[in-house]
Amino acid sequence: DAEITQSPRHKITETGRQVTLACHQTWNHNNMFWYRQDLGHGLRLIHYSYGVHDTNKGEVSDGYSVSRSNTEDLPLTLESAASSQTSVYFCASSPGTGGFFSYEQYFGPGTRLTVT
Amino acid sequence: AQSVTQPDIHITVSEGASLELRCNYSYGATPYLFWYVQSPGQGLQLLLKYFSGDTLVQGIKGFEAEFKRSQSSFNLRKPSVHWSDAAEYFCAVGVGNDMRFGAGTRLTVKP
Repeated sequence: DAEITQSPRHKITETGRQVTLACHQTWNHNNMFWYRQDLGHGLRLIHYSYGVHDTNKGEVSDGYSVSRSNTEDLPLTLESAASSQTSVYFCASSPGTGGFFSYEQYFGPGTRLTVT
Repeated sequence: AQSVTQPDIHITVSEGASLELRCNYSYGATPYLFWYVQSPGQGLQLLLKYFSGDTLVQGIKGFEAEFKRSQSSFNLRKPSVHWSDAAEYFCAVGVGNDMRFGAGTRLTVKP
């Protein structure tokens, strides 16, 4: 069955370190997204991609970067981790073109990141 | 500024009782509207969505939602709640390349 996976599921890192969170989907979806979830804020969009070599900034992109070299993967990099980036991170994908919210988004199980 | 508001942080209902979760939005244009559910330790799953047409939308697991343009609302309802419905529920709104989620409503179901 097609799925979307995230790794690691839990990560503890130190302030200032570079961290990369992996997201892999086997749906063959064009669109992929990264969100962070914080208490009281719901989910906030970090970055999104409409296809290979396409990346776009979301609502809370400062301190994060993504790259899309193939359809299946959209890794999220924290260039220099900060305590404010302690959060649960969700990756999602959706089919179609022309506006990602036109289609259902399929979410991964999440990565809990703690920055100490 | 664009926003999505879920006024109720936590709701408790008895099993078998009816449920209504509120969602209000503030956007200049009519947005696309969604409700997602998140079980503990899981990602989000789409319950239903509204793009256009009939303002009463049916979803999975017996949920429905009604879009009221005049009130900028998209409330989620279920006539009879089951214990397995205990979860966190998120309203989401999309316009252009902007997708916003509400802060969520946690549902507790009493036996």
